[in-house]
Amino acid sequence: AQRVTQPEKLLSVFKGAPVELKCNYSYSGSPELFWYVQYSRQRLQLLLRHISRESIKGFTADLNKGETSFHLKKPFAQEEDSAMYYCALSIMEYGNKLVFGAGTILRVKS
Amino acid sequence: DGGITQSPKYLFRKEGQNVTLSCEQNLNHDAMYWYRQDPGQGLRLIYYSQIVNDFQKGDIAEGYSVSREKKESFPLTVTSAQKNPTAFYLCASSPQGARGYGYTFGSGTRLTVV
Repeated sequence: AQRVTQPEKLLSVFKGAPVELKCNYSYSGSPELFWYVQYSRQRLQLLLRHISRESIKGFTADLNKGETSFHLKKPFAQEEDSAMYYCALSIMEYGNKLVFGAGTILRVKS
Repeated sequence: DGGITQSPKYLFRKEGQNVTLSCEQNLNHDAMYWYRQDPGQGLRLIYYSQIVNDFQKGDIAEGYSVSREKKESFPLTVTSAQKNPTAFYLCASSPQGARGYGYTFGSGTRLTVV
C-alpha cells in the first residue's frame, strides 16, 4: 500500500539552527514527491517538488530511492519558517492523486 | 485572479442534516479533489474527479457525496450518514495527468456539528 510517514509531530529549533523534517514513503512505482507548507491563517501551498530539484526559501529536499526518503532541509532556520509541513506522494495509478503524511509542525524559537 | 474559492469559510450543521460545501476554480484544471484535514492525521482523500461527469471514491468516502457537472465546480455534500463530520475540508485542483505539477488548494471550510 502507498504510505507517507512523517515521524515527528513537532520539531522545535532555535533560529539559525539547521532544520531537517523527515519523510519516508512506501510505493512500488516510480515516486513523485512534494513538500507542502501551511503558514498560520494561510492556505496550504506547494513548497517544492523533487522533479524540479529547486530550492525554495532556502529549503531543499533530495529523493533517496534506496532509503525511500524525501527529507526537507534548511541550513539556517528563520522564525518565519514556523508552519505545518506536509510531505506528499503522487500515485501514478490514479492520475495525480496525492497521498499525504500526517504533517510536522515546525517551531522556530528566537 | 486565478484560483480556487471555497465557501462558506465556516459552517455549522445540526445532527441529521445534510450540508453542501462549495468549491469553484477558474484555473481551467481538469482534476479536482476533496480532502479532510484532522489534527494528527494529515489530509485524507474523500473524492476526486479527473473529468466532468466522472468521479471516484477516495479513502474515506463513506457519508459523503459529490457531483461534477461543470469543469469549474466540484461541490461536496456531507450527509447525515457521516458519523464524525466535524473537520476542516480542503478542495484542490490540478491539470489532468500532470503528476509533477502538484495541487492548488482552496482556503478551506471548517464544518462543526452542533
